[in-house]
Amino acid sequence: EIVLTQSPATLSLSPGERATLSCRASQSISSDLAWYQQKPGQAPRLLIYDASNRVTGIPARFSGSGSGTDFILTISTLEPEDFAVYYCQQRNSWPRTFGQGTKVEIK
Amino acid sequence: EVQLVESGGDLVQPGGSLRLSCVASGFSVSSYRMNWVRQAPGKGLEWVAHTGIGPDSTTYADSVKGRFTISRDNAKNSLFLQMNSLRDEDTAVYYCARDHGGAYSYWFDPWGQGTLVTVSS
Repeated sequence: EIVLTQSPATLSLSPGERATLSCRASQSISSDLAWYQQKPGQAPRLLIYDASNRVTGIPARFSGSGSGTDFILTISTLEPEDFAVYYCQQRNSWPRTFGQGTKVEIK
Repeated sequence: EVQLVESGGDLVQPGGSLRLSCVASGFSVSSYRMNWVRQAPGKGLEWVAHTGIGPDSTTYADSVKGRFTISRDNAKNSLFLQMNSLRDEDTAVYYCARDHGGAYSYWFDPWGQGTLVTVSS
């Protein structure tokens, strides 16, 4: 099973700041990685797929990068609605696995 | 508008059974891979089961293999999850999620709002 490790667990930032979230895979997964956003009481929402492709309708301030084992989700300028939990997910092999999540909270 | 609506969550005793339903609108479940993903209270996401488009193309997490069965009814445009021999650790919100689509995908998009399953005596 591929283990995805996200860091940090919690990121305390202010609106307007830049957020950098990391996801590391236990083995190479090429570009088979996605990022999801989940707000309290809501279902997750797909933001980025294939490591760097933004879903239609997702603001340009969200970007993804990386390949192999190391991946980054960047939120260039945090808006109030961006404070949430973010998960990475791999599709390279079964079982599909998620990281444990990074909570982006208001400082 | 593409939408998924789950139902069937309930309080059930350990060892019991439950059947979850997910009704789709805005697309045909027969044309997409479909999944169930769960989230225990206060915890992260765990993929549970997947059904491909073809027959006999189901895959399960080890934690539910042999106990859960994913199926679809194309005429009702619905996805199901039959859960047997339920355990305390199956307590979670269960989400129905469609494949994002495209040539390869296996990304989950969109998701339903979830249905809560509580296993407790």
